[in-house]
Amino acid sequence: AQSVAQPEDQVNVAEGNPLTVKCTYSVSGNPYLFWYVQYPNRGLQFLLKYITGDNLVKGSYGFEAEFNKSQTSFHLKKPSALVSDSALYFCAVRDTGFQKLVFGTGTRLLVSP
Amino acid sequence: DTAVSQTPKYLVTQMGNDKSIKCEQNLGHDTMYWYKQDSKKFLKIMFSYNNKELIINETVPNRFSPKSPDKAHLNLHINSLELGDSAVYFCASSQTGGSYEQYFGPGTRLTVT
Repeated sequence: AQSVAQPEDQVNVAEGNPLTVKCTYSVSGNPYLFWYVQYPNRGLQFLLKYITGDNLVKGSYGFEAEFNKSQTSFHLKKPSALVSDSALYFCAVRDTGFQKLVFGTGTRLLVSP
Repeated sequence: DTAVSQTPKYLVTQMGNDKSIKCEQNLGHDTMYWYKQDSKKFLKIMFSYNNKELIINETVPNRFSPKSPDKAHLNLHINSLELGDSAVYFCASSQTGGSYEQYFGPGTRLTVT
């Protein structure tokens, strides 16, 4: 079965510093990977995806993610964090047998002023 | 224009009652989903419909009954509500054969007392 793991419950970073939110995956076949963000009391918003192609994927709000096949990772990155980036971030993988996404447990990002 | 909408946003009810949550999407997608997010923010799929047909039914109690009158709507009816049903329920949609990302509604916070 497809799965993703987010090893950090929380990531703390100072505003202006680069941020990384980690995700590793386990799939059979080619992975379809996604990042979503959830602000308090809101639904999930799609940030970016990797289906195929370049290993560095650019998404919304200045976020990008690096697909690394050898390390089975898909880490979310941003060069300079904003306080407004503070939210809950979910990594997800598409189950190739079904049209569903399998989500990680989420990582809370706290950006301090 | 709201892409995926849910009503109500909040639902407070007593144990044993029956309640419904409605979802509508105006994205022209053919697949819709219900997810449950528990108090620890863990997100798990419950059901998925493709063109009004049930394609995913995870291990959900049969007190939960989804209904899709057309491909733009997916409702969730819950019978005999229990305390453990308290959660945030998210509707989502996607397009078969598309780029696979799902778009989420704002969520319905269900509190069973």
